Amino acid sequence: AQSVTQPDIHITVSEGASLELRCNYSYGATPYLFWYVQSPGQGLQLLLKYFSGDTLVQGIKGFEAEFKRSQSSFNLRKPSVHWSDAAEYFCAFRGLSYNNNDMRFGAGTRLTVKP
Amino acid sequence: DAGITQSPRHKVTETGTPVTLRCHQTENHRYMYWYRQDPGHGLRLIHYSYGVKDTDKGEVSDGYSVSRSKTEDFLLTLESATSSQTSVYFCATAGQGYQETQYFGPGTRLLVL
Repeated sequence: AQSVTQPDIHITVSEGASLELRCNYSYGATPYLFWYVQSPGQGLQLLLKYFSGDTLVQGIKGFEAEFKRSQSSFNLRKPSVHWSDAAEYFCAFRGLSYNNNDMRFGAGTRLTVKP
Repeated sequence: DAGITQSPRHKVTETGTPVTLRCHQTENHRYMYWYRQDPGHGLRLIHYSYGVKDTDKGEVSDGYSVSRSKTEDFLLTLESATSSQTSVYFCATAGQGYQETQYFGPGTRLLVL
């Protein structure tokens, strides 16, 4: 079955510490991969995406993600977390549907940043 | 970000009443989507549209209907709201093409009592 797994429901890190949010997907081929961020009461904002090519993808706000085909993973990283990064993060993938109607989202990881 | 607005932003209604949520976009995107967001489930697709008057079901379409009479507007209707439809509803849009990204609106928080 097609699915996205974010193993960590909630993560707490100290401001200035590094961050890694995990994402694994289950799909029969290499999908298109995304990370979105949602601040409280807001919609989802695209952080970065992977379609093909370089497996290390740079995004906005200093985030990056690495696609590892062998592990079916697309983990999100940031070297130094800021208090403003506190939010919920969603990993998603879509397959090869032309209508772009096959997006699958993980359940999300809530990030708390300690001062 | 795509110019996507949703109305209303918050709504409280009673079981059995009809409810219509509106999504409006200014990007002339071909595709529009309605998702619901529930704790522990992420976002799940309700319905989507691939053009004016062209719509199809998503993963959790039971109890919902949609309409798209013009490019910029996509309406989601709960014909007879139930408490299980209490959720946050997001609209998204995407342009045409395999590598298009979905952009999301601010969401509508719906409470069905």
